[in-house]
Amino acid sequence: TQLLEQSPQFLSIQEGENLTVYCNSSSVFSSLQWYRQEPGEGPVLLVTVVTGGEVKKLKRLTFQFGDARKDSSLHITAAQPGDTGLYLCAGHRWAGGTSYGKLTFGQGTILTVHP
Amino acid sequence: NAGVTQTPKFRILKIGQSMTLQCAQDMNHNYMYWYRQDPGMGLKLIYYSVGAGITDKGEVPNGYNVSRSTTEDFPLRLELAAPSQTSVYFCASSYEPTGFEQYFGPGTRLTVT
Repeated sequence: TQLLEQSPQFLSIQEGENLTVYCNSSSVFSSLQWYRQEPGEGPVLLVTVVTGGEVKKLKRLTFQFGDARKDSSLHITAAQPGDTGLYLCAGHRWAGGTSYGKLTFGQGTILTVHP
Repeated sequence: NAGVTQTPKFRILKIGQSMTLQCAQDMNHNYMYWYRQDPGMGLKLIYYSVGAGITDKGEVPNGYNVSRSTTEDFPLRLELAAPSQTSVYFCASSYEPTGFEQYFGPGTRLTVT
């Protein structure tokens, strides 16, 4: 069972369109992060959200953390071909024992933006 | 700062061979991780370490071993390579005060034939 469910799994859109990627869970997270990964490279951190209801903007990207800290969304406005990549959400949730410091990753959303 | 470095970048192994994937970080991070990523998929945690001398299993540890003798280095050992271990391996490090934000290396693409 996936602790963090990302949707959609694939997204293929035209340049200039808007899109939203969702990251949902039944568990509460102390923090949640979004990463982007380009082919042949490691994931790169985009943002961290820690407060329920928090909204962060990074140019055309808007990130939101749900009020209950169980879900998050990534919205891209006027997508560009350079936005193409794999988007991963990841959350930190301390469940006791040795879970401290481990992140739970979603399965990822592959975004393709066509010129 | 070089960040997180991994060697080699590519490797082809025959079934039954062994090898060590090297990982080093120069950010003085206590936490280090090994993940594997299969094509078009997310990341699966193999092993992680909360500091020198302390390691623990992740989600998919079978067939792998790790050691952490220094803060900087976290090598991953593959014993008796199998085709199921064909994957891209990423090493990462993190720092508690930033909510364990992960800094990833460039990856090692391993093929077992």
